Amino acid sequence: EAGVAQSPRYKIIEKRQSVAFWCNPISGHATLYWYQQILGQGPKLLIQFQNNGVVDDSQLPKDRFSAERLKGVDSTLKIQPAKLEDSAVYLCASSLVPFGGTGTQYFGPGTRLLVL
Amino acid sequence: GIQVEQSPPDLILQEGANSTLRCNFSDSVNNLQWFHQNPWGQLINLFYIPSGTKQNGRLSATTVATERYSLLYISSSQTTDSGVYFCAVGFGNTDKLIFGTGTRLQVFP
Repeated sequence: EAGVAQSPRYKIIEKRQSVAFWCNPISGHATLYWYQQILGQGPKLLIQFQNNGVVDDSQLPKDRFSAERLKGVDSTLKIQPAKLEDSAVYLCASSLVPFGGTGTQYFGPGTRLLVL
Repeated sequence: GIQVEQSPPDLILQEGANSTLRCNFSDSVNNLQWFHQNPWGQLINLFYIPSGTKQNGRLSATTVATERYSLLYISSSQTTDSGVYFCAVGFGNTDKLIFGTGTRLQVFP
């Protein structure tokens, strides 16, 4: 069974530029998560989707971050415009359990973003 | 909000040694998961353990939900066990995961 796929693996941009990350979850997984992991810290949930609907986006900086999950499968996270403090690893995860329980989460390899 | 504290923050072991990692949380939770993040950054789920005890090879975990803590046991450490161990707790209607502060483990030959 293929794992969670993410691209690109690395991205370097200048502040005020825009960037987009892509995630393809494990086949059949209804729930998809985007996390931000700053160096030396644990991952922090940005947004959680159940199929193509948003379940939780309370920690997503909506003035610059946006995410969508069209057709309930793969997802895109965008930052526009980027700030220096957005430098982090962006992790995508998915789980099988439907709404009402997180279930075991499976993580992708992450995208390392450096904002100069 | 809910607080998740892990101890110790750092642990250095020689191959073959045993260790216990602890996770304390400040409120009732729906579930608890242990993850290993290897030196290349990949997060691997070790256990989904809202309560009770589970074992998987050299690893085992115990969660005592009523006392708000969980323990991860690593026996006969190997160099491949090196990395950061996170516990994460799920709470609320959406079972949102909050990650702990992590324990960095280094195992030397």
